[in-house]
Amino acid sequence: NAGVMQNPRHLVRRRGQEARLRCSPMKGHSHVYWYRQLPEEGLKFMVYLQKENIIDESGMPKERFSAEFPKEGPSILRIQQVVRGDSAAYFCASSPPSGGLLVGLFFGPGTRLTVL
Amino acid sequence: GENVEQHPSTLSVQEGDSAVIKCTYSDSASNYFPWYKQELGKGPQLIIDIRSNVGEKKDQRIAVTLNKTAKHFSLHITETQPEDSAVYFCAASPGTASKLTFGTGTRLQVTL
Repeated sequence: NAGVMQNPRHLVRRRGQEARLRCSPMKGHSHVYWYRQLPEEGLKFMVYLQKENIIDESGMPKERFSAEFPKEGPSILRIQQVVRGDSAAYFCASSPPSGGLLVGLFFGPGTRLTVL
Repeated sequence: GENVEQHPSTLSVQEGDSAVIKCTYSDSASNYFPWYKQELGKGPQLIIDIRSNVGEKKDQRIAVTLNKTAKHFSLHITETQPEDSAVYFCAASPGTASKLTFGTGTRLQVTL
């Protein structure tokens, strides 16, 4: 049973470019979460999605960031016009339809974004 | 909002000794407390969790205790091994996994 898949694992962008991060949840999981980790810090919640629905985006910056989880395909975290402060590790997690309360979140290996 | 503090930030123990990591939280509504282990270059891995209706939970060499009155919870690792070396994060949630608030992490090093 494959775990949460994220790609790319490493992404380098120049300031002003767009970054697209992809996440495929574990089989049977319909809830996806995105967290950001700055160097030497804990993870910060960004957004919680179900298929075709954003449930909670209270941790998402109001500008330049967007997320989607279409009916078919992976969840996408999109960062437009990246700045150096966007450099971080972005982790996706998934949970089964119970919403994560009973079995917790299962994290992917992360995408390490570097903005030059 | 919730605030989780974690101590110590680094911890070095000899193989076979015990390691204890402590966390405090601020929101009395929090009722779910997971612990994650993160190895270099990898995503966090859930190692144990506890809910507010119990005070202690154990899984082999790992145990977690919760004191709701004092709003603190701890991770105990006994008989540490070199493969336990990693960064450990505590977290707290008011009941939904989407609202996990993480501590700042403890870098555990187990020396031979």
